Amino acid sequence: DAKTTQPTSMDCAEGRAANLPCNHSTISGNEYVYWYRQIHSQGPQYIIHGLKNNETNEMASLIITEDRKSSTLILPHATLRDTAVYYCIVRVAGDTGRRALTFGSGTRLQVQP
Amino acid sequence: NAGVTQTPKFQVLKTGQSMTLQCAQDMNHEYMSWYRQDPGMGLRLIHYSVGAGITDQGEVPNGYNVSRSTTEDFPLRLLSAAPSQTSVYFCASSYGAWTGGSKETQYFGPGTRLLVL
Repeated sequence: DAKTTQPTSMDCAEGRAANLPCNHSTISGNEYVYWYRQIHSQGPQYIIHGLKNNETNEMASLIITEDRKSSTLILPHATLRDTAVYYCIVRVAGDTGRRALTFGSGTRLQVQP
Repeated sequence: NAGVTQTPKFQVLKTGQSMTLQCAQDMNHEYMSWYRQDPGMGLRLIHYSVGAGITDQGEVPNGYNVSRSTTEDFPLRLLSAAPSQTSVYFCASSYGAWTGGSKETQYFGPGTRLLVL
């Protein structure tokens, strides 16, 4: 997997947008960008993924730069329940099974009331 | 859909005891896996399955057995529990394992916290 770099921690005010950056400058053309999060003591939760284009779902938006070397996860209206560790993961198709989902250290997002 | 369910939520064992951690999914996913997560460490893959009747070892398989007789269920058996197996165990599933994108998005269960004394 391409190496990813994320800030260790971020704060966000409740109701505001949370923008979580991820650097993956060594990403190759067939690698997807996935975002997961893990709320304390719970199982990891899938958020969103993309290959080249920006993506949006009911939870978040994913903005991938044109050169694909970085991406940003956007939680449009953060709530206290979004406090969690967020992981940016780059994976090539077909990696599931052969290799564990490697979370790295992630970004600890603290949503403040 | 219930998604991925795991039982029990918490278990205490004595060294040498055996037990089975249950995992079930109702999403008709082909791929299922077991991870363990220790404090301060990431996920480590124990065993995985790409379909009923097919299982394979992950990174840390020793001391664990699995079977996959149905698409829905993927139990993890601890043969003779040791204190080193104290951990949080997560079961995960995905639609597939080979095509990338949404097919390889993994959905996790809530976890089983195991303490071996």
